Amino acid sequence: SQQGEEDPQALSIQEGENATMNCSYKTSINNLQWYRQNSGRGLVHLILIRSNEREKHSGRLRVTLDTSKKSSSLLITASRAADTASYFCATDTGANSKLTFGKGITLSVRP
Amino acid sequence: GAGVSQSPRYKVTKRGQDVTLRCDPISSHATLYWYQQALGQGPEFLTYFNYEAQPDKSGLPSDRFSAERPEGSISTLTIQRTEQRDSAMYRCASSPLAARGPDTQYFGPGTRLTVL
Repeated sequence: SQQGEEDPQALSIQEGENATMNCSYKTSINNLQWYRQNSGRGLVHLILIRSNEREKHSGRLRVTLDTSKKSSSLLITASRAADTASYFCATDTGANSKLTFGKGITLSVRP
Repeated sequence: GAGVSQSPRYKVTKRGQDVTLRCDPISSHATLYWYQQALGQGPEFLTYFNYEAQPDKSGLPSDRFSAERPEGSISTLTIQRTEQRDSAMYRCASSPLAARGPDTQYFGPGTRLTVL
């Protein structure tokens, strides 16, 4: 079963624009992580936000976490064609640190 | 090693055959995870290891699936009597801490299994 649900399922934007992706989850978490998956390649860890954090930045990435709403958002600023990929949120509930992934968001950045 | 490696990258097999997939984690990483990812879906947890110990097998779909990590390093995932529904990407990940969390999991490229 998949705990996280990303929204939207697909997103198409112009290079230079910002991309916002949302994730909702169902149970209490220790942390939430965002991963990127390029076509034909592995999953790459982007950023981790702990349950006691509200916002975190890493380069062009900004992630927020609202535990009261059980939701998170990932903002990619000044998008590039190379950002084209599938993005997954994954929750760590502390049970063995196994991750529960959503179905993913397909982001297309048009040059 | 430089990263998590998996072999083979692609495996095509006939229904009923057994297959064994291999994962070589990042050197000295204590924890190793196996995930199954169906097309268009996110990865789903199968099992994990802390060194040689396998504390959680709850995600294995059936008793046809088994995993080993006998020396606490390389791991294999074996699927016996494969079925078409086993067709998926199988992903391995490792992390440095002994599942104390939170921690980053480093994923390998995956093995694409196709059962005909």
